[in-house]
Amino acid sequence: GDSVTQMEGPVTLSEEAFLTINCTYTATGYPSLFWYVQYPGEGLQLLLKATKADDKGSNKGFEATYRKETTSFHLEKGSVQVSDSAVYFCALSQYSGGGADGLTFGKGTHLIIQP
Amino acid sequence: NAGVTQTPKFQVLKTGQSMTLQCAQDMNHNSMYWYRQDPGMGLRLIYYSASEGTTDKGEVPNGYNVSRLNKREFSLRLESAAPSQTSVYFCASSGGTGSYGYTFGSGTRLTVV
Repeated sequence: GDSVTQMEGPVTLSEEAFLTINCTYTATGYPSLFWYVQYPGEGLQLLLKATKADDKGSNKGFEATYRKETTSFHLEKGSVQVSDSAVYFCALSQYSGGGADGLTFGKGTHLIIQP
Repeated sequence: NAGVTQTPKFQVLKTGQSMTLQCAQDMNHNSMYWYRQDPGMGLRLIYYSASEGTTDKGEVPNGYNVSRLNKREFSLRLESAAPSQTSVYFCASSGGTGSYGYTFGSGTRLTVV
């Protein structure tokens, strides 16, 4: 079945550091790829997405590029802020026709940014 | 505000008790989902409903039942709660074919003692 693997946390960085959170996936066909962010005590919010190979998703200074050849969708940000502290989930979705089957999530990466 | 509303936000149950988690969306989405979130496990799909009148099992359906009451509402029922069902439960909805992303509710934190 489909699966998503992302780096285990917590990841601790200083403010203004460069961020990379790795995500690789296993899937048949051509899934859509997503990054979600979860702030403490809240639900998940869509951060960015890409629906086909070589697409780049971007939002709030975060970027990720859909790399089919390496089955990866790494999340990057050039300069992180304390407010970026959260749990980040990589996910994929396959549409098999007749209705969506739900997202497959990675286990999440807890990001801590220190002032 | 438009979105997905879950009730209750917190609940404590005794082993063997039953309860229903409610979820409603006002975005006219066709698809709705129930996930559970556990430490170190990420989110796992319990049940989903691709459209009104249909429901299907996800990865971890045992111990749960669902009802798609209408297009807006999708409830999750625990008939006989067990400590292993202690978790945070999230409802989500989607209006597209899987590429539009999902809108999540704020979650229900359930403790079974």
